[in-house]
Amino acid sequence: AQTVTQSQPEMSVQEAETVTLSCTYDTSESDYYLFWYKQPPSRQMILVIRQEAYKQQNATENRFSVNFQKAAKSFSLKISDSQLGDAAMYFCAYRSAAYSGAGSYQLTFGKGTKLSVIP
Amino acid sequence: EPEVTQTPSHQVTQMGQEVILRCVPISNHLYFYWYRQILGQKVEFLVSFYNNEISEKSEIFDDQFSVERPDGSNFTLKIRSTKLEDSAMYFCAIVVWDIRSGNTIYFGEGSWLTVV
Repeated sequence: AQTVTQSQPEMSVQEAETVTLSCTYDTSESDYYLFWYKQPPSRQMILVIRQEAYKQQNATENRFSVNFQKAAKSFSLKISDSQLGDAAMYFCAYRSAAYSGAGSYQLTFGKGTKLSVIP
Repeated sequence: EPEVTQTPSHQVTQMGQEVILRCVPISNHLYFYWYRQILGQKVEFLVSFYNNEISEKSEIFDDQFSVERPDGSNFTLKIRSTKLEDSAMYFCAIVVWDIRSGNTIYFGEGSWLTVV
């Protein structure tokens, strides 16, 4: 079974600065997907960024980028130019790329990192 | 992001009562999921549903839980006899394909269930 570990329960960053959230995972599979989800106080789960394991290039979405190290099984999220609206829980998630029907899209989540943004 | 509407947004129920949580995707989808998040804990998979059948379920999804798509649109999660430990946020999720990202899972806004 896959596991996802987020070792930082809480992080803080000054507004406009850069912060990196860590995520490691354990899997025996070679092909999979990794995600970062943001959960603001409203508790909605919002997709931030996704990475395909077969792609060497790190995914980027505006101020959000990842550092994907497949050999190390590491998938960190970098938030540049942090804004007050970035304050939220951030969850790292794993999904197998093997197709097995609807179960293929089952996500395994880490415990989350609570990010505070200091004005 | 695609819209996935969940109702109710918050429900308080007495222990032992039945609860039905509803999920209405904005467009037609085949794959549906329910996830649960107990306050302060990680999001956990409950069940996947495809073509009007359960595809996969976790250990959490015991006999007191059931899912169905009664009218071809709404996707429901029923908890027959609620327990205190069922208090959690319940998320419906769907799979959406787009040419740039491939298959991606999107979550609804969640239904917060409080069992007293």
